[in-house]
Amino acid sequence: QVQLVQSGAEVKKPGASVKVSCKASGYTFSTYGIGWVRQAPGQGLEWMGWINTFNGYRNYAQKLQDRVTMTTDTSTSTAYLELRSLRSDDTAVYYCGRVNYSLDFWGQGTLVTVSS
Amino acid sequence: QSALTQPPSASGSPGQSVTISCTGTSSDVGGYNYVSWYQQHPGKAPKFMIYEVNKRPSGVPDRFSGSKSGNTASLTVSGLQAEDEADYYCSSYAATHNLVFGGGTKLTVL
Repeated sequence: QVQLVQSGAEVKKPGASVKVSCKASGYTFSTYGIGWVRQAPGQGLEWMGWINTFNGYRNYAQKLQDRVTMTTDTSTSTAYLELRSLRSDDTAVYYCGRVNYSLDFWGQGTLVTVSS
Repeated sequence: QSALTQPPSASGSPGQSVTISCTGTSSDVGGYNYVSWYQQHPGKAPKFMIYEVNKRPSGVPDRFSGSKSGNTASLTVSGLQAEDEADYYCSSYAATHNLVFGGGTKLTVL
């Protein structure tokens, strides 16, 4: 069965960086992209971007493109999200999902807290 | 890319039907048949409910149905049950080759 398992919660100071992992299993990793979505406390879902796991093509949401990097390690079927220059409004649960013109399978979420 | 527009809330009594709308533009909802819907219970990850406007993944009850007309997509929940109370989000593939999400609708079962 398809599973996406994310890394654990993080607490970071403003200005720091965070890297969240998403390990896929139950399907051929390179046949679907991986997308990232975040959800601030009490707020809706915000699309961050996606990476094509076959050719490495990346497409980031415009408001984040100068601070975000998405990568993959096909040898371990793992995708990574790095967000730099963290601010308090980056505090959110970060989700990865399998891209198929939608997000058909989701990770369990990773809480990133930015606080001094 | 602006978010898709959803009503903040919707409600219905058990057994009734409720429809949630999702309005975009010709660059997203109106331009592609790649509208999806997700259900999210508090503290949980979103669950994939509808894809390609009106298709249900395996395991999703047929009480959930989707449709689209022009730039507006809709999710209808028929025969409302208590467990349907949740937040619902729409998404669409967009001309930017990204996905765009709606702001979410809180469905209350009265």
